[in-house]
Amino acid sequence: GAVVSQHPSRVICKSGTSVKIECRSLDFQATTMFWYRQFPKQSLMLMATSNEGSKATYEQGVEKDKFLINHASLTLSTLTVTSAHPEDSSFYICSAWDTANYGYTFGSGTRLTVV
Amino acid sequence: AQSVTQLDSHVSVSEGTPVLLRCNYSSSYSPSLFWYVQHPNKGLQLLLKYTSAATLVKGINGFEAEFKKSETSFHLTKPSAHMSDAAEYFCVVSLTERTAGNKLTFGGGTRVLVKP
Repeated sequence: GAVVSQHPSRVICKSGTSVKIECRSLDFQATTMFWYRQFPKQSLMLMATSNEGSKATYEQGVEKDKFLINHASLTLSTLTVTSAHPEDSSFYICSAWDTANYGYTFGSGTRLTVV
Repeated sequence: AQSVTQLDSHVSVSEGTPVLLRCNYSSSYSPSLFWYVQHPNKGLQLLLKYTSAATLVKGINGFEAEFKKSETSFHLTKPSAHMSDAAEYFCVVSLTERTAGNKLTFGGGTRVLVKP
């Protein structure tokens, strides 16, 4: 089936630095990808919708300048957390729409810890 | 607008006994409904999906769910729980799965504990 590879799986960074998370569709082209954030013991909250070749659409309350999304190709979307702070520590998950199989496939997630 | 309510935040069962995870939804349109499972620090795995075909949907690992429009429910069941079923389960709704840009709305999740 369709596979979405997400890296890194875990990252620890210092407060004030930036972190990039990559999401790749391995065997299909993903024109649309979604980025979610999940706090401990909570559900997934959609942060933004990433469309290949155009600007991402952010959900209300999500800071565009803090969470930079780039979807430059049909197989790669990146999320960059800029000037990270401890409150940005969370589990980030990407999801891609597989047009051929009409389904959503999720990455394995990235645990971000800002110290 | 659409929303999903998972009626139980935690469910505890004994190994070998049935599992029932309850989900109610609201949607202005005919929805597509999904159940996903998440093991600790992992991504989400699709268990099954309903997309306006058969109302009784069979998924992986012995799970199944029944779509009941009159009750706006999509409860997940398994006749006999295994230790490996201990995880977080999410009920998810989408307006329709056949459009790339449709957003998913997640329920709050149900944590399943399986006792030996």
